[in-house]
Amino acid sequence: DAKTTQPTSMDCAEGRAANLPCNHSTISGNEYVYWYRQIHSQGPQYIIHGLKNNETNEMASLIITEDRKSSTLILPHATLRDTAVYYCIVRTGYSTLTFGKGTMLLVSP
Amino acid sequence: SAVISQKPSRDICQRGTSLTIQCQVDSQVTMMFWYRQQPGQSLTLIATANQGSEATYESGFVIDKFPISRPNLTFSTLTVSNMSPEDSSIYLCSVGDRANTEAFFGQGTRLTVV
Repeated sequence: DAKTTQPTSMDCAEGRAANLPCNHSTISGNEYVYWYRQIHSQGPQYIIHGLKNNETNEMASLIITEDRKSSTLILPHATLRDTAVYYCIVRTGYSTLTFGKGTMLLVSP
Repeated sequence: SAVISQKPSRDICQRGTSLTIQCQVDSQVTMMFWYRQQPGQSLTLIATANQGSEATYESGFVIDKFPISRPNLTFSTLTVSNMSPEDSSIYLCSVGDRANTEAFFGQGTRLTVV
């Protein structure tokens, strides 16, 4: 059973913020939300992760709802190089990463 | 962060042969993982490579087809045995050593079986 639900694809104009949603309504209390992306023909790249507080790093921001049933990854100023498949994954402790189908983000000029 | 090197980066192989993929990490890690990504699909975990013990395989993957070695804390190999065209995929090595922290991936090995 899929633990996360993401839209199949999204479009974003270059320079605008890209907001990628993820539903994880069955998340348990000790599961973290992780985001990875995979640019064509490359290995997945870690973006950010969080438990319940909002997180920000040099790549993106992660907004987790108070009930933790959904989250949004925000790329504040999308560039053409951000075109990739974005994966939202819930994971606890040392458990392995289970990849779903992700969201194909297309950033256009 | 860990730097992961995979070799070869790509290969074209004849059916019935075997290919061994190497994964080298620039630091000692406890946990190493092997994934497969079939064309147009997401990543699927093949096995967890444990140092000093046999690998732990996921459902649908068996040791005879995908033997794994883990001789030390910085190196692992995955062999794809008796290959068929259905084995054409990208094979990826990953490491993740601490609970609730990020895992890192190599750039993958693109395998084509003809």
